[in-house]
Amino acid sequence: EVQLVESGGGLVKPGESLRLSCVASGFTFSSYSMNWVRQAPGKGLEWVSYISSGSTYKYYADSVKGRFTISRDNAKNSLYLQMISLRAEDTAMYYCVRISGSYTDDYWGQGTLVSVSS
Amino acid sequence: DIQMTQSPSSLSASVGDRVTITCRASQTIISYLSWYQQKPGTAPKLLIYDASSLQSGVPSRFSGSGSGTDFTLTISNLQPEDFATYYCQQSYSTQRAFGGGTRVEIK
Repeated sequence: EVQLVESGGGLVKPGESLRLSCVASGFTFSSYSMNWVRQAPGKGLEWVSYISSGSTYKYYADSVKGRFTISRDNAKNSLYLQMISLRAEDTAMYYCVRISGSYTDDYWGQGTLVSVSS
Repeated sequence: DIQMTQSPSSLSASVGDRVTITCRASQTIISYLSWYQQKPGTAPKLLIYDASSLQSGVPSRFSGSGSGTDFTLTISNLQPEDFATYYCQQSYSTQRAFGGGTRVEIK
């Protein structure tokens, strides 16, 4: 069974940093590209970042470019999102998402909540 | 960047109804279009991928159609468990984009 379990969320002040983690199981993690997607409270879904299976390619939404860094450790079946200079508008549930062979975002984790407030 | 426009933003329907949600892309995305269902407090769940392919385990009352820029999600014989928010998403570009969502409420 495919499982994605996020962690690392919490309450931080504007300007502070946070590192999210996602541990994958039930599939060969190293063979799949991954996304981070977020959802602000009561709002829609927003793509945040993409990383290819071997970390060669990384892409970011304009709203987080220069502040967020995506990475992965295939030996640990883990995906990460390093977030710096956090803003109130980064407050959201952050989901780790697997990208299937047909380029579909097929499996989502349960999410980890990031709250940025003074 | 590709923009996705979804309509309506909400609708009211009764159990047994047929419901149609539309999604339009700002440029062609061929058939790289997925539909997700989200219930409060839970992660989105994949229903349809490649515009019309039903994800394993999803009831056959859900169907998708379209190609290019215009797409449709249809729920036939609406069931109580189908009341939720639905999102379209393009996977043509690595930089994903989602529609704004359609909330399906009980009439």
